[in-house]
Amino acid sequence: DAKTTQPNSMESNEEEPVHLPCNHSTISGTDYIHWYRQLPSQGPEYVIHGLTSNVNNRMASLAIAEDRKSSTLILHRATLRDAAVYYCILRDVSNFGNEKLTFGTGTRLTIIP
Amino acid sequence: DADVTQTPRNRITKTGKRIMLECSQTKGHDRMYWYRQDPGLGLRLIYYSFDVKDINKGEISDGYSVSRQAQAKFSLSLESAIPNQTALYFCATSDLRGHQPQHFGDGTRLSIL
Repeated sequence: DAKTTQPNSMESNEEEPVHLPCNHSTISGTDYIHWYRQLPSQGPEYVIHGLTSNVNNRMASLAIAEDRKSSTLILHRATLRDAAVYYCILRDVSNFGNEKLTFGTGTRLTIIP
Repeated sequence: DADVTQTPRNRITKTGKRIMLECSQTKGHDRMYWYRQDPGLGLRLIYYSFDVKDINKGEISDGYSVSRQAQAKFSLSLESAIPNQTALYFCATSDLRGHQPQHFGDGTRLSIL
């Protein structure tokens, strides 16, 4: 499986934008880039996903490099509730039945009031 | 009410005991999954099911079994619990359509003494 690399931790001030990077240099053409986050004492929560183009939803934006070897999750205005572990995951959907989401150790985001 | 409900939320038991963790969902999804999470690590897939008649092993199925009693119910059993199965267990669901996100329950914290 293609692997992702994320910083172990990051800090950001409340109400400022946050850019969470992810490297995936061995990504294949059929890998989608998914982001999940896990708040304390909760299960992971889907944030966003994309293939090639940048994506926006109500939670965040996903910026994907032109060569797809890296991506950045953007939280436009961080709140205390955004403090969580963020996971960048590659999901190959070319093989029907390949259901594995490979969670690494993620990035622990701390929001400073 | 939560869309994906896990019971119990916490369980302490002894080595050698049989344990069943239950998961029910109201999302109407066909696919269901069981993951475990160890401290400081990401989630690892134990078993997954595409429908009531379909069961598949994940990356760490040894020592576990599952039952898909209905579309909405997927249970995980530890036939003879051992201490290294102490972990946080998560159930998840997803829609049958391709690359849909997985929706997680809040987890079961299992301690085996």
